[in-house]
Amino acid sequence: GQNIDQPTEMTATEGAIVQINCTYQTSGFNGLFWYQQHAGEAPTFLSYNVLDGLEEKGRFSSFLSRSKGYSYLLLKELQMKDSASYLCAVRASGGSYIPTFGRGTSLIVHP
Amino acid sequence: KAGVTQTPRYLIKTRGQQVTLSCSPISGHRSVSWYQQTPGQGLQFLFEYFSETQRNKGNFPGRFSGRQFSNSRSEMNVSTLELGDSALYLCASSLSLGGNEQFFGPGTRLTVL
Repeated sequence: GQNIDQPTEMTATEGAIVQINCTYQTSGFNGLFWYQQHAGEAPTFLSYNVLDGLEEKGRFSSFLSRSKGYSYLLLKELQMKDSASYLCAVRASGGSYIPTFGRGTSLIVHP
Repeated sequence: KAGVTQTPRYLIKTRGQQVTLSCSPISGHRSVSWYQQTPGQGLQFLFEYFSETQRNKGNFPGRFSGRQFSNSRSEMNVSTLELGDSALYLCASSLSLGGNEQFFGPGTRLTVL
């Protein structure tokens, strides 16, 4: 089976930097995804990591360490519109392409 | 390019009824996956279709079924509805089976009374 853990809720201040962690235990590994989901809306794809290291995409960066079963999503220069739920999802190896999602981290950005 | 569309957006049913939800993927996308999202369980995978064939199935009872048509549009059906089936049902499309980037539709909010 797979187990994915991420904090339930985080708060941060507009303009600051926030790091959302995700730890996972899977039978094999074939990629980790981050999605953003605003309340009442569909999740939108943010990043995909399959190799160790940092992937930067504008204000958002995602890091992966396969040996530690650990990833984080880094959000810089926070804006109010970044208030959303951030979902970490892991795809195990072995033929199935289906990602397993964590419960999500609700990020609240204060002015 | 139009995004993933789902119909209906909202649905209210009573226990024991059945329901059919529809999903139209992004043009050119051939893989369609369905997910159930609830506050308690988060986002859970239901099934994935590619080339009109179910390729993967999640851990849901047989009351949940689906199909995909030759134009890649997909439907999912839930029979004998239970209160616990109340959820947001999301459809996601990708170019190929196991595509790294999935695009989600707005979802269908199902309420079972």
